[in-house]
Amino acid sequence: DTAVSQTPKYLVTQMGNDKSIKCEQNLGHDTMYWYKQDSKKFLKIMFSYNNKELIINETVPNRFSPKSPDKAHLNLHINSLELGDSAVYFCASSQNPSGTGGFYEQYFGPGTRLTVT
Amino acid sequence: EDQVTQSPEALRLQEGESSSLNCSYTVSGLRGLFWYRQDPGKGPEFLFTLYSAGEEKEKERLKATLTKKESFLHITAPKPEDSATYLCAVSHLTQGGSEKLVFGKGTKLTVNP
Repeated sequence: DTAVSQTPKYLVTQMGNDKSIKCEQNLGHDTMYWYKQDSKKFLKIMFSYNNKELIINETVPNRFSPKSPDKAHLNLHINSLELGDSAVYFCASSQNPSGTGGFYEQYFGPGTRLTVT
Repeated sequence: EDQVTQSPEALRLQEGESSSLNCSYTVSGLRGLFWYRQDPGKGPEFLFTLYSAGEEKEKERLKATLTKKESFLHITAPKPEDSATYLCAVSHLTQGGSEKLVFGKGTKLTVNP
């Protein structure tokens, strides 16, 4: 059973297009995240949701909009794609004992490789 | 400036040759230090969390230790299947009171048979 799944695994699109990446976790966790890993393998947190509420929003262009329809799902929509958006995007989840904030053991999805041409 | 620095960037070992990876951090207000393993084309896999200086954790051939300014991931008698990129991440409190998570750039470990 896949704990954290993402679709699609690969996404090739042209500049200016709008695309979405979906994430689902079946671990019963209350916190989900989006990360971007660039070509140098540097992993940076973008967003964090706890119980469907946004709790972390790092310095990310507002072309990126996360949406959490329920605790098990966190989608990432990207408008007006740019060349610099090319990267691997990872979804992750964790269970936060306090229910708010903090970072704990995270489970990552397999990643979505986005290529913007 | 980098708040989390991992060294070396790459390390080649022969099977059975023990070594250590380093993760040094300059943040204050440490809340936790995490080690992850990442295989090519996959997401990071959690290994350890360390919370305070002096803490140690072990799992199979891996042992993680923490001091006030750095952490070491010791690999004893490594096998080829230990080949991966090892990522260190630090969560810390900012001056504004929020908690941040910062990853290092990783150490790519190759273990030759």
